Amino acid sequence: QVQLVESGGGVVQPGKSLRLSCAASGSTFSSYGMHWVRQAPGKGLEWVALIWHDGGNKLYADSVKGRFTISRDDSKNTLYLQINSLRVEDTAVYYCARGANWNHPEYYGMDVWGQGTTVTVSS
Amino acid sequence: NFMLTQPHSVSESPGKTVTISCTGSSGNIASNYVQWFQQRPGSAPTTVIYEDDQRPSGVPARFSGSIDSSSNSASLTISGLQTEDEADYYCQSYDSSVVLFGGGTKLIVL
Repeated sequence: QVQLVESGGGVVQPGKSLRLSCAASGSTFSSYGMHWVRQAPGKGLEWVALIWHDGGNKLYADSVKGRFTISRDDSKNTLYLQINSLRVEDTAVYYCARGANWNHPEYYGMDVWGQGTTVTVSS
Repeated sequence: NFMLTQPHSVSESPGKTVTISCTGSSGNIASNYVQWFQQRPGSAPTTVIYEDDQRPSGVPARFSGSIDSSSNSASLTISGLQTEDEADYYCQSYDSSVVLFGGGTKLIVL
């Protein structure tokens, strides 16, 4: 069973940048689309971004478009989220999650989740 | 923009049946699959229903999902409630290049 481990979170000042990583175990990472989902303290889940298995297509939530970039390195079995111009409202636990269908990750939700990494934006 | 609306909280007694609704703001919720996730405090979400009404292996048959096109809503029904079912539940779907979650429902088993 694939496991996902996020890292890269921390306390960051507003306006700074941060890169989150999600390391996947197993040999099937390159076959699946991958999502980032975040959860602000005491709030619900918010989808952030999706990248297809081949990296050829990416989708973003309107709230992060232009500031966040999702990418992947299949040779390292790793998913990334580059976050620029951090805002206080970006404070959240960031989860990576595997798309449940290799061909249409946008339709089928997520089937494997990491435990999350916490980003706190504060001056 | 399409949105999914859930009740903020529901409560029921052990052994009873509870239904959590997820209503689409427009269009036809049946046009795209709906998933349901369970999240216990301090833990990552896990799937309890996928593709509207399918249960992953390991999820008890007490959990079921359905779609009602007439009300443009999806529902998660949990029968034979157990105290361990107390958690937050989120519906999730897709519309117009956006993956989206409902606001979540806190299930209280008292």
